[in-house]
Amino acid sequence: AQKVTQAQTEISVVEKEDVTLDCVYETRDTTYYLFWYKQPPSGELVFLIRRNSFDEQNEISGRYSWNFQKSTSSFNFTITASQVVDSAVYFCALSAHRDDKIIFGKGTRLHILP
Amino acid sequence: DVKVTQSSRYLVKRTGEKVFLECVQDMDHENMFWYRQDPGLGLRLIYFSYDVKMKEKGDIPEGYSVSREKKERFSLILESASTNQTSMYLCASSPAGDRHFYEQYFGPGTRLTVT
Repeated sequence: AQKVTQAQTEISVVEKEDVTLDCVYETRDTTYYLFWYKQPPSGELVFLIRRNSFDEQNEISGRYSWNFQKSTSSFNFTITASQVVDSAVYFCALSAHRDDKIIFGKGTRLHILP
Repeated sequence: DVKVTQSSRYLVKRTGEKVFLECVQDMDHENMFWYRQDPGLGLRLIYFSYDVKMKEKGDIPEGYSVSREKKERFSLILESASTNQTSMYLCASSPAGDRHFYEQYFGPGTRLTVT
């Protein structure tokens, strides 16, 4: 079965600290895509990144970086020098070819304290 | 920019009422989805549609139905609202093609309270 686990329900860090959000997935498919979405207090989920199963290169976008490791079935998300505007719920998601729908993790609520 | 709009941000209904939640997207997307979001449960898929007049059940379709008469509009219907349907409802859409590849674009959500 396809599954996404975000073990951290809630995290609080002080502004400017680095923080890593964990995501572990399960699938028997060899072809799949992983996503991260951000849900700010306004409610609308916003797409951050997609990674396909054949591309294990890490990605950096400004203060955001993602570490994809197939060996541990993980796709972790790090925010460097966090800011208050990063406060949100973050969802990791999996879309595999044997399933018709995208599977979301339960989300991690991130509080950045000023 | 893709825009997904939902008819209401907040809605309060009484138990037993028929409730319509409307979702419209303006980017000619083939695929549309309805989710509900509850604390500790994340996003759960209610129904989805890959074409006009077509619908497929998601993980929790009981107590809900949907309608897709036009490509841009996907309606979620609660035939007889119950208190356990109090939730945040999110609509999303995505383009045609490899439905596994494309990200979904979400609306702002409707927070429904059933009293």
